[in-house]
Amino acid sequence: GAVVSQHPSWVICKSGTSVKIECRSLDFQATTMFWYRQFPKQSLMLMATSNEGSKATYEQGVEKDKFLINHASLTLSTLTVTSAHPEDSSFYICSAPKTGELFFGEGSRLTVL
Amino acid sequence: DAKTTQPTSMDCAEGRAANLPCNHSTISGNEYVYWYRQIHSQGPQYIIHGLKNNETNEMASLIITEDRKSSTLILPHATLRDTAVYYCIVRPSGGSNYKLTFGKGTLLTVNP
Repeated sequence: GAVVSQHPSWVICKSGTSVKIECRSLDFQATTMFWYRQFPKQSLMLMATSNEGSKATYEQGVEKDKFLINHASLTLSTLTVTSAHPEDSSFYICSAPKTGELFFGEGSRLTVL
Repeated sequence: DAKTTQPTSMDCAEGRAANLPCNHSTISGNEYVYWYRQIHSQGPQYIIHGLKNNETNEMASLIITEDRKSSTLILPHATLRDTAVYYCIVRPSGGSNYKLTFGKGTLLTVNP
């Protein structure tokens, strides 16, 4: 069964609104989680590393004020896309390490109208 | 992380073996070869990994050349559900290095 779960699976929002995506580690603790973004027909691109109890580490070119990451507990990281615009429409995927391996969530598809 | 090169796409007949190649000529001595796959609109799924010996699990076999510059993922009896993008990634194992760099992968299409 799944070890990392994301919610929601898909979301549609209006331009200018904010959207929160949750990533949960199931039955294990994850001090670190990773957020990826995938545009249609492209590969996954790492956006940021979510660190429990401290600030997230963002990859070059990713706006930290636009993509807010909160890792408030050992089983939950959230990604908030603030003031979303149509170009933010994408497939967002999180991952978490468990017993030396990396497991991925099911992904969350965001469509901004 | 070392760069990998994979064919853009491959086709395979259902029930036959699917052999997916990957070149990683700049792999370092401490880097493992990992394979993930991504079925359409889902998150990546771990398949298998290895260092230098051939590996087999319930999903696939991994053949790594002696010089470790290339590898082949083998799905022994491909099914329609194996249609996916397969990613070959090299990274140091263990520790805290879980930042994966995904290339474009190989789109495997299993045909009836």
